[in-house]
Amino acid sequence: AQSVAQPEDQVNVAEGNPLTVKCTYSVSGNPYLFWYVQYPNRGLQFLLKYITGDNLVKGSYGFEAEFNKSQTSFHLKKPSALVSDSALYFCAVRDGGNFNKFYFGSGTKLNVKP
Amino acid sequence: DAGVIQSPRHEVTEMGQEVTLRCKPISGHDYLFWYRQTMMRGLELLIYFNNNVPIDDSGMPEDRFSAKMPNASFSTLKIQPSEPRDSAVYFCASSSVQGRSNTEAFFGQGTRLTVV
Repeated sequence: AQSVAQPEDQVNVAEGNPLTVKCTYSVSGNPYLFWYVQYPNRGLQFLLKYITGDNLVKGSYGFEAEFNKSQTSFHLKKPSALVSDSALYFCAVRDGGNFNKFYFGSGTKLNVKP
Repeated sequence: DAGVIQSPRHEVTEMGQEVTLRCKPISGHDYLFWYRQTMMRGLELLIYFNNNVPIDDSGMPEDRFSAKMPNASFSTLKIQPSEPRDSAVYFCASSSVQGRSNTEAFFGQGTRLTVV
């Protein structure tokens, strides 16, 4: 069965420090993995994706994510957090062998404190 | 492209009334998704279409909910009759799998529905 887990409801980090938002997945076929960000009263915005190739993918606003097949993880990272990064982050997976729906995690609220 | 366009942005209605939410997907996209977001349940997939055909409506809460996609550029989500527990933000999203590279979903700004 396809699923996504975001084990942390909330992540707190100080501005300037590195941040990590965790995501693990389960999918039958090849995983297509995505990260989205949602600011208050807005829709979800696409940040980055992994389809194939280099395990480290770079996306918008300085974010990057590392695909780890053995650990079935796709953690979102940023070397230096900004207060403006504070938002709700969603991880999602799509079965690359059977394109259908996206499976979203429950979301992680990132709080970056000045 | 202007992105996924949803209307209205806000809707306040009385219990028992019919509500229709509208969505215009990105041109050329062949998948359309309807999601509902609440604090309690998070982001829930209600239904999705592929090439205008409903593929999976298992997330539709009950018969009061219905969705249509009469053509590639328009979809509606209807609630009749509406109830206070339907209050939520409803998102429409679209995506394409052509070439297997442009596979991410693009979301609209959402419709905030309040049923009083």
